[in-house]
This record gives sequence, structure tokens and C-alpha cells, in this order.
Amino acid sequence: NAGVTQTPKFQVLKTGQSMTLQCAQDMNHNSMYWYRQDPGMGLRLIYYSASEGTTDKGEVPNGYNVSRLNKREFSLRLESAAPSQTSVYFCASSEVAATYGYTFGSGTRLTVV
Amino acid sequence: DQQVKQNSPSLSVQEGRISILNCDYTNSMFDYFLWYKKYPAEGPTFLISISSIKDKNEDGRFTVFLNKSAKHLSLHIVPSQPGDSAVYFCAASGIYNQGGKLIFGQGTELSVKP
Repeated sequence: NAGVTQTPKFQVLKTGQSMTLQCAQDMNHNSMYWYRQDPGMGLRLIYYSASEGTTDKGEVPNGYNVSRLNKREFSLRLESAAPSQTSVYFCASSEVAATYGYTFGSGTRLTVV
Repeated sequence: DQQVKQNSPSLSVQEGRISILNCDYTNSMFDYFLWYKKYPAEGPTFLISISSIKDKNEDGRFTVFLNKSAKHLSLHIVPSQPGDSAVYFCAASGIYNQGGKLIFGQGTELSVKP
């Protein structure tokens, strides 16, 4: 049972470089989310996808784009990385209602130098 | 503005004693609350939840209390064990929130000393 799989686990980027964080879930969940975790800030929602074919902005969407490729996969793209995007990124999935809770991936630690 | 707040960044307790983690919220439209536990280098995992129609929910050593009038919830761990050492996040959601998205607090790092 893989659950939610994120790749890569670690990445170092130079300012201005681009990259895509990949996320896939095998639980047939409809909703998927991208969060970032920063010290003292908790988990902040970047983008989410309530269902296949839809995406919406969260609290901190600037500098990011997302693609819900199919029901399983939800990718996060940084077009021009900035040091402020140094963070740990978590992908999560859930049934439509949050009452079931989220299943999180193990995270991607991104450093932008 | 921070809709969900955990004002204690860290808490240290002795093994066998009670751990009490607190969380405050500002949005009266929240009607479901959850606690997540996170170990280093892992993703958060769901621990326990409570609906706004209840004031207490218990699961083994973990109990969550909700005080709607004070917009406050707490997580009690009794007895605390060294394996409980982790970061704990509280989260809230409104049932009619599109996508069921959760708003998280800043987290409290619990250390249980043997």
C-alpha cells in the first residue's frame, strides 16, 4: 500500500531555475492538495484540486502552478525558483469531505540557493 | 490572518504524565477539527478528530476536547510515552468548504522525557 508518493525527496535549485514536484496517490481519492511547511508557520495550502479537472488557489499560491494530470497525479511547478520557496513540500489526498482526514506523502525538502 | 493558532511552539513532559496541547481558532464557521502527528522526515499522520456537535472524543490514550464558546480545542495524551515525541498540528475545516480543505495551526513540538 503506497498511499501518497512524492518525488523527489530532496532537491537543491539555483535561483531562477524551474522544477516540477510530482505526487501520485493510489487510494482513488478525489481531492488532492499541496502544502508547504515552514518553521513557525505550520502547514500552508498552496493549491488544491477538489476533483479531477479542477484546481484552485490556496493561501500561498504565488510563484507556483499546478496540474491535475488525472485522478491519481497532481504536480506542483516552480517556474522561476526564489530563495523564499525554500521549504518542505507535502502532497496530500482525501475523500471529498475533510472529515475523513488527509493522507500525506513523506515530503520534498527543497532548497533554493 | 492566522485562523488556527497553536501558541505553544514546544512542550516537555515526563513519561507517564499527561500532555495537554492547545489550539485556538477564530472562524466560527469551522465545524470539524482534527489533530495530526508528525515525526521528522515523515508526512503528518491523522490522529483524532471531533465534530462541532460534540465536546469530547476519545481514542485510547488520546482525547480531544472542544469548547465552541471559547473557540478552543485541546488534545490530552494520558499517559505520555517517549514514542509520542513529535510535532502535533491541529487543523480545522468548514463542511461546506470547497474541496474540504483543512487550515492548519503552526504546530507544537512535544518532547516526552523517559
